[in-house]
Amino acid sequence: GDSVTQMEGPVTLSEEAFLTINCTYTATGYPSLFWYVQYPGEGLQLLLKATKADDKGSNKGFEATYRKETTSFHLEKGSVQVSDSAVYFCALSERAAGNKLTFGGGTRVLVKP
Amino acid sequence: SQTIHQWPATLVQPVGSPLSLECTVEGTSNPNLYWYRQAAGRGLQLLFYSVGIGQISSEVPQNLSASRPQDRQFILSSKKLLLSDSGFYLCAWSGGQASNQPQHFGDGTRLSIL
Repeated sequence: GDSVTQMEGPVTLSEEAFLTINCTYTATGYPSLFWYVQYPGEGLQLLLKATKADDKGSNKGFEATYRKETTSFHLEKGSVQVSDSAVYFCALSERAAGNKLTFGGGTRVLVKP
Repeated sequence: SQTIHQWPATLVQPVGSPLSLECTVEGTSNPNLYWYRQAAGRGLQLLFYSVGIGQISSEVPQNLSASRPQDRQFILSSKKLLLSDSGFYLCAWSGGQASNQPQHFGDGTRLSIL
């Protein structure tokens, strides 16, 4: 079945540091890929998405590129802020699986001033 | 624009009591609807999803049930809560049948069982 693996946290960074969160996936077909962010005490918000190979999703300074050859969708941000402290979830959706989302375990990011 | 509402935001219930969590979506019709549970410090587990009124698919065997009495209403229920039902419950919706449609989440209900 489908699965998503992302690096375990917590990831602790200083403000203005570079952030990378690795995400790899296993899928039977051609999935769409997503990053969601969860701020403390809140639900999940869609951060960005990519629907085909080599697509780059971007939002709020975050970027991720759909790499079919390496089955990866790593999230990056060049200069993090304290307000980026949150849990980040990588996820995939596949039509053959009824368009249900398969989530990674989440990566907690803590940005210190 | 579309919005999703979940209530209550927090709930404390004794073991063995019933449960009813409600989720409604506005601004769209015939959405796909989902219930997830997030245990403390962990990822999300899909509990139920629905592609239409009265159509419910269960992902994992459990003490919970779901119903969709109206197009944009999704209810999560239990007759007798267990300690293991504690967690953060999230409702979500998505539009269309394409896999590139993202899911949009409510603010969640934090359920504590005593």
